[in-house]
Amino acid sequence: DIQLTQSPSFLSASVGDRVTITCRASQGINNYLAWYQQKPGKAPKLLIYVASTLRSGVPSRFSGSGSGTEFTLTISSLQPEDFATYYCQQLNSYPRTFGQGTKLEIK
Amino acid sequence: EVQLLQSGGGLVQPGGSLRLSCAASGFTFSDYAMSWVRQAPGKGLEWVSAISTNGGSTYYADSVKGRFTVSRDNSKNTLYVEMNSLRAEDTAVYYCAKDIWSRWFDPWGQGTLVTVSS
Repeated sequence: DIQLTQSPSFLSASVGDRVTITCRASQGINNYLAWYQQKPGKAPKLLIYVASTLRSGVPSRFSGSGSGTEFTLTISSLQPEDFATYYCQQLNSYPRTFGQGTKLEIK
Repeated sequence: EVQLLQSGGGLVQPGGSLRLSCAASGFTFSDYAMSWVRQAPGKGLEWVSAISTNGGSTYYADSVKGRFTVSRDNSKNTLYVEMNSLRAEDTAVYYCAKDIWSRWFDPWGQGTLVTVSS
C-alpha cells in the first residue's frame, strides 16, 4: 500500500499569511493526488486534483504543486474561512489512501 | 445539481449488520465509479471501498475485506454498502463519494454515523 505523510499535522497561522502543507508519498503516484478541505461536522470538499488542477469554484489563493513523491498545497493569503483540516489523497492505486490530515488553526 | 443523499446509519451491537445507502441525482450515475470513505470520531479519513460503473469490479480496504460488501443499483441510482460482523472500531461517519475518472472524489455525501456498541 502507498503511504502518505502530511506535514505539519498542526499549523497555527494568521489571516493574510501564506501557508504550505506538504504531502509525501511512499512511492511514485503519477501525480494522481487530490487535496480536500474539511470543516467540523461537514463532508470533505475537493480543492485540487491531479496535483495542481484547481477545482472550478475554488478560490485562486489555493494552489497545488509537486511531482513524483512530494506534493504541496499552498494558500497564498489565508482568509477566515480557510481555517479547517486539509487532507491529501492518492488515486494511483488501491487502496486509495489519505494523509493523516493537517489542522490549520487561527493564531 | 449533483447530489448524494445518504441513509441507513445508526446504533448496532458488535457482531451485527447494517446497510448504508447513497442515492445519487444530478448526473448519469451509471457512468461513474463510486467509493465509500469513513472517519472515526476525532480521526482522519479512511478509504473503505470502491465499485466500478457496472459493479463488475469491487475494491476493499484490508480492515473491512470479507465483512463489507459494496454494490450498486444503476436503475435506482443508488450505491450500497452491506456491513457485517461489525466491530467497535467500525464506529465512524461513513461518506459516499463520486469517483471522477478514478482521479478524484467530488462531491461527497453528507455522511451518516454508524455506532457499534452494546
